[in-house]
Amino acid sequence: GQQVMQIPQYQHVQEGEDFTTYCNSSTTLSNIQWYKQRPGGHPVFLIQLVKSGEVKKQKRLTFQFGEAKKNSSLHITATQTTDVGTYFCAGRFMDSNYQLIWGAGTKLIIKP
Amino acid sequence: KAGVTQTPRYLIKTRGQQVTLSCSPISGHRSVSWYQQTPGQGLQFLFEYFSETQRNKGNFPGRFSGRQFSNSRSEMNVSTLELGDSALYLCASSPRTVYGYTFGSGTRLTVV
Repeated sequence: GQQVMQIPQYQHVQEGEDFTTYCNSSTTLSNIQWYKQRPGGHPVFLIQLVKSGEVKKQKRLTFQFGEAKKNSSLHITATQTTDVGTYFCAGRFMDSNYQLIWGAGTKLIIKP
Repeated sequence: KAGVTQTPRYLIKTRGQQVTLSCSPISGHRSVSWYQQTPGQGLQFLFEYFSETQRNKGNFPGRFSGRQFSNSRSEMNVSTLELGDSALYLCASSPRTVYGYTFGSGTRLTVV
């Protein structure tokens, strides 16, 4: 079946450092969504990318969708303690009845 | 406006029993999805409904079933509970399947 691979599984950063998580698919995605789940919370929708090569920014967060629509990334500049949580990507495939396929998530941990 | 409401928030059941979980989506949202999340695991997709029709189903045994009513409210049922069914069950709704999802706070099910 279709899969979305997300790396890394964990990333430890000092507060103020940057953070990046990557998602890859072997086949073309229709679109990709990003969610954030705080510890003890539920996933919260951040953004959806639809167009090839699309780049969107939300304050310190930058989301990119690859030219081939097979990969995507989320980059956080100058992390803050409020960024702690797990970031998930979720992609829709045209040939899977548009089922949303989730990555395994990347957990952002701020080093004390 | 009110968010996605899941009831009950917590549930303790005995192995072999059955359980029904309820989800009331945001008003006007016709797409509802269900997920299972266990500690350290990502989101495991259960079902996706749109206008009372099941559009997609995850790789779960037949003990897991669901339905959506004409008012978009949804229920999921797990029969013959097993210890491994202990998890956080999340419901999410969207106006249409092409948009991002809003998640409820979940039902935490413990099977003893």
